[in-house]
Amino acid sequence: EAGVTQFPSHSVIEKGQTVTLRCDPISGHDNLYWYRRVMGKEIKFLLHFVKESKQDESGMPNNRFLAERTGGTYSTLKVQPAELEDSGVYFCASSQDYSGLGTDTQYFGPGTRLTVL
Amino acid sequence: AQSVTQLDSQVPVFEEAPVELRCNYSSSVSVYLFWYVQYPNQGLQLLLKYLSGSTLVKSINGFEAEFNKSQTSFHLRKPSVHISDTAEYFCAVSGPQTYSSASKIIFGSGTRLSIRP
Repeated sequence: EAGVTQFPSHSVIEKGQTVTLRCDPISGHDNLYWYRRVMGKEIKFLLHFVKESKQDESGMPNNRFLAERTGGTYSTLKVQPAELEDSGVYFCASSQDYSGLGTDTQYFGPGTRLTVL
Repeated sequence: AQSVTQLDSQVPVFEEAPVELRCNYSSSVSVYLFWYVQYPNQGLQLLLKYLSGSTLVKSINGFEAEFNKSQTSFHLRKPSVHISDTAEYFCAVSGPQTYSSASKIIFGSGTRLSIRP
């Protein structure tokens, strides 16, 4: 069974440009999460989809970030326009069961390293 | 609000020596506790987790962690490390805050474990 995949693995863009990150969750997983790790700091939650619906987007930093999950399968995270402080590693995770209690195991992808120059 | 503190950013140890990676958490409600590991050039993997029951939980590769509610700690230990344990280790919590955000994982800042031959 394939794990969570993310594309691209690396992206280098200039300030003001747009970048779109993609995440393919494990097949059959209704829950999809985005996290971000800015250089040297902790990994922080961005948002959580249940199927195509945004369950929790409390971690999205500002309106330059737009996440979508059309059809409840893969998800994209667009940053427009990108700023220097957006540099970091963006992780995607998926899980199968949603108890609403925080007990489900989240499976993480390898991450996309974004560098904004 | 929940938070996680990993006191050591780096821990160097000799091969076959014991190791302890420290983790303390802060929460006003019950939490679920996790240790994730990121090997070089790979994604995050769940190492072990505490949900309920026995306070001592173990992984398949010899790590163990003990949930200590009175000290709000979840330290990770291994009696004898191997070169292959070289990785970054993240302590994390999740749990009921509000229904919409129970599933989000709150991570510590990570501890880099380096094994010397």
